Amino acid sequence: NAGVTQTPKFQVLKTGQSMTLQCAQDMNHNSMYWYRQDPGMGLRLIYYSASEGTTDKGEVPNGYNVSRLNKREFSLRLESAAPSQTSVYFCASSEGTGWETQYFGPGTRLLVL
Amino acid sequence: EDQVTQSPEALRLQEGESSSLNCSYTVSGLRGLFWYRQDPGKGPEFLFTLYSAGEEKEKERLKATLTKKESFLHITAPKPEDSATYLCAVQEGGSYIPTFGRGTSLIVHP
Repeated sequence: NAGVTQTPKFQVLKTGQSMTLQCAQDMNHNSMYWYRQDPGMGLRLIYYSASEGTTDKGEVPNGYNVSRLNKREFSLRLESAAPSQTSVYFCASSEGTGWETQYFGPGTRLLVL
Repeated sequence: EDQVTQSPEALRLQEGESSSLNCSYTVSGLRGLFWYRQDPGKGPEFLFTLYSAGEEKEKERLKATLTKKESFLHITAPKPEDSATYLCAVQEGGSYIPTFGRGTSLIVHP
């Protein structure tokens, strides 16, 4: 099992460009999550999906959109990147439809110039 | 005011020098408290889940305990490979949004 995988590992964007961060899990988990992690701050939830076909906003959803493509895949899209979105993005998954133990991917490091 | 506060922010220990990390929280109706370990450049790795005051969990040199207001992660006779950032997160009953602390960076010197 690969667990949770994320692509790309690193990306540089110019302000205003768009991109999609990909996440996939092979653990047959129902719930998936997108977080961002900034220096000196805790992980902050951007969006989550409690089950296939549903998505909900987290703490910091502005500037992002998500798609739960199927049970395995959950993507995060930046339509018009801003320097404030420079961060490390983590995808996670959990087995149930509530928030239990989460399994994290290796992260995507995004730099917006 | 942060709902989850971890202390100290950074801790340096000598190999074999036991210590504790603290995670205090102010959420009401705690559903669960989680400890994760994060190595540089990697995603958090799950360590423990605690659900009720008085509960304890152990794994190798680590022991997590929970009271009504805080949790401790005790590290007994640490080794250099225990060096990492330790994250605490809490889930309030009825909420899907977890709250993470800022973490404690632990360095264990040989």
